[in-house]
Amino acid sequence: TQLLEQSPQFLSIQEGENLTVYCNSSSVFSSLQWYRQEPGEGPVLLVTVVTGGEVKKLKRLTFQFGDARKDSSLHITAAQPGDTGLYLCAFSNDYKLSFGAGTTVTVRA
Amino acid sequence: GAVVSQHPSWVICKSGTSVKIECRSLDFQATTMFWYRQFPKQSLMLMATSNEGSKATYEQGVEKDKFLINHASLTLSTLTVTSAHPEDSSFYICSAMTGNQPQHFGDGTRLSIL
Repeated sequence: TQLLEQSPQFLSIQEGENLTVYCNSSSVFSSLQWYRQEPGEGPVLLVTVVTGGEVKKLKRLTFQFGDARKDSSLHITAAQPGDTGLYLCAFSNDYKLSFGAGTTVTVRA
Repeated sequence: GAVVSQHPSWVICKSGTSVKIECRSLDFQATTMFWYRQFPKQSLMLMATSNEGSKATYEQGVEKDKFLINHASLTLSTLTVTSAHPEDSSFYICSAMTGNQPQHFGDGTRLSIL
């Protein structure tokens, strides 16, 4: 069984600070996805990483996929209150998504 | 594009009643739809996978007789929680996909059983 471990579980920072969320597994993945979910809404896909060592940037968000394709990280630079939400990593197996436990990020103004 | 709509967004009902939740793909035909459950402060857990015109495939531990899924068309899947009890209170989220495209999620249904 492939399992995704996310850390930290909770993260509370001041506006303007940086933060990093980690997603780890002992298994190798063909790809990993990152989602953000706001309260009372469904998750929204941020990015899919496919290639080992890949780095993708989405404005102030930087996503990395480990060389061995077992881990990934999400780094937010100069966080803003609008970045507040639940960040989830997930992998796809036969089209079914399995999610990590999530990281609740709170950015204080 | 790729909009998925869920209805209702919020429902409160008495214990013992049945509740139907609809999931529609508004601008594409969904070959596969998924149903997830999310408890407070937790992640999404897949309940079942449904393909149009065939029986849903349930994940281990999910009671198929309690959570009835119907996927009668390429744009609509329904989840009926039968004889709902307080422990069924949760946030139910559907997603839809076509081909090998990413899943697109609805905005969820908050179910509260009194």
